[in-house]
Amino acid sequence: QKEVEQNSGPLSVPEGAIASLNCTYSDRVSQSFFWYRQYSGKSPELIMSIYSNGDKEDGRFTAQLNKASQYVSLLIRDSQPSDSATYLCAVSRASKIIFGSGTRLSIRP
Amino acid sequence: EAGVTQFPSHSVIEKGQTVTLRCDPISGHDNLYWYRRVMGKEIKFLLHFVKESKQDESGMPNNRFLAERTGGTYSTLKVQPAELEDSGVYFCASSPYLDRRNTGELFFGEGSRLTVL
Repeated sequence: QKEVEQNSGPLSVPEGAIASLNCTYSDRVSQSFFWYRQYSGKSPELIMSIYSNGDKEDGRFTAQLNKASQYVSLLIRDSQPSDSATYLCAVSRASKIIFGSGTRLSIRP
Repeated sequence: EAGVTQFPSHSVIEKGQTVTLRCDPISGHDNLYWYRRVMGKEIKFLLHFVKESKQDESGMPNNRFLAERTGGTYSTLKVQPAELEDSGVYFCASSPYLDRRNTGELFFGEGSRLTVL
């Protein structure tokens, strides 16, 4: 079992709709959870971090964490073509950050 | 403020040769990480430095890989001798601090693409 699992996609969402990205993790002691965005040929950049159960909103982005279910999600409202990228879920374990393989998101006009 | 810089951006070498990748973290960042992404796979952790000390090198694949961070500033990752399966993109990332919670706000370099023929 992978430590961090994501559906590889591609996930195709019409412009203006809500994109929902999901992630599960295996290590119950993980404390910190992140979503990174990676455009093709570029490096990952942090877009959201979440540490407590529940929702955290930042602009069009909402991260959701459920530690009991070991589940993290990212919602993107009013999806824009510029949101087309690979989204990486990442989980802390001790001092290291473990990444999932990423979900490729495509926003169609 | 300069970001994380990596050199070279792309290296093509033959099996058996040696390659050294360099990473300059953001100034003042004590934590420096090396990751590798092989085509189609996840970004895999290689190792973590805190200043000049190796905090965790559990992800290093084998003894052909040697990482150093002399003086706690820039870091090098040497692969010697390189094998075909070493091909991939090697990312370096840094972060300014490490607390119990570890914010994980890693700042990534653009990566060094290694192709072993």
